[in-house]
Amino acid sequence: EAGVVQSPRYKIIEKKQPVAFWCNPISGHNTLYWYRQNLGQGPELLIRYENEEAVDDSQLPKDRFSAERLKGVDSTLKIQPAELGDSAVYLCASSLRLIANTGELFFGEGSRLTVL
Amino acid sequence: DQQVKQNSPSLSVQEGRISILNCDYTNSMFDYFLWYKKYPAEGPTFLISISSIKDKNEDGRFTVFLNKSAKHLSLHIVPSQPGDSAVYFCAASPLYNTDKLIFGTGTRLQVFP
Repeated sequence: EAGVVQSPRYKIIEKKQPVAFWCNPISGHNTLYWYRQNLGQGPELLIRYENEEAVDDSQLPKDRFSAERLKGVDSTLKIQPAELGDSAVYLCASSLRLIANTGELFFGEGSRLTVL
Repeated sequence: DQQVKQNSPSLSVQEGRISILNCDYTNSMFDYFLWYKKYPAEGPTFLISISSIKDKNEDGRFTVFLNKSAKHLSLHIVPSQPGDSAVYFCAASPLYNTDKLIFGTGTRLQVFP
């Protein structure tokens, strides 16, 4: 079974440029998460989707970040414009609703963003 | 405000010995605790969990201990193997809202021969 797939793996951009990350969750997983991991820190939740609905976006900086999960499968996370402080690894995770109650998330390999 | 703390950024252990990774939390509403393991350039993978109704959970070489009164948990790996070398994250959540996982900053474990 394929795991959570993310792209691109690495992205280097100049500040004020836009960037987008894509995630394909494990087939059948209805819950999808985007996390941000800063250097030396643990992952922090940005947004959570139940199917196509964003049910928790309280930690998403809405002035420059946006996300969507059309048709309740793939998801994209966009930053426009990027700032130096956005340099981080952006992790996508998915889970089945039942398993989510046990906290077991399946993470992708992450997209490492460097903003110059 | 760091609600989940892993005060040791790194730990070095000889192969075959016990590795003990520690985690402290401040939020008394946390009822469910997990450990994730992360290799370089990979996403974290779930390792083991424990709910507050237990004080110990064991899975093969991995055992998690929970001390609720001290708001402390630990992960024991016995015996440690070189393949265990990774970053270990502690995470916590309220039991009925595990979508609100709060991660610690991680401890890098190195197991040397």
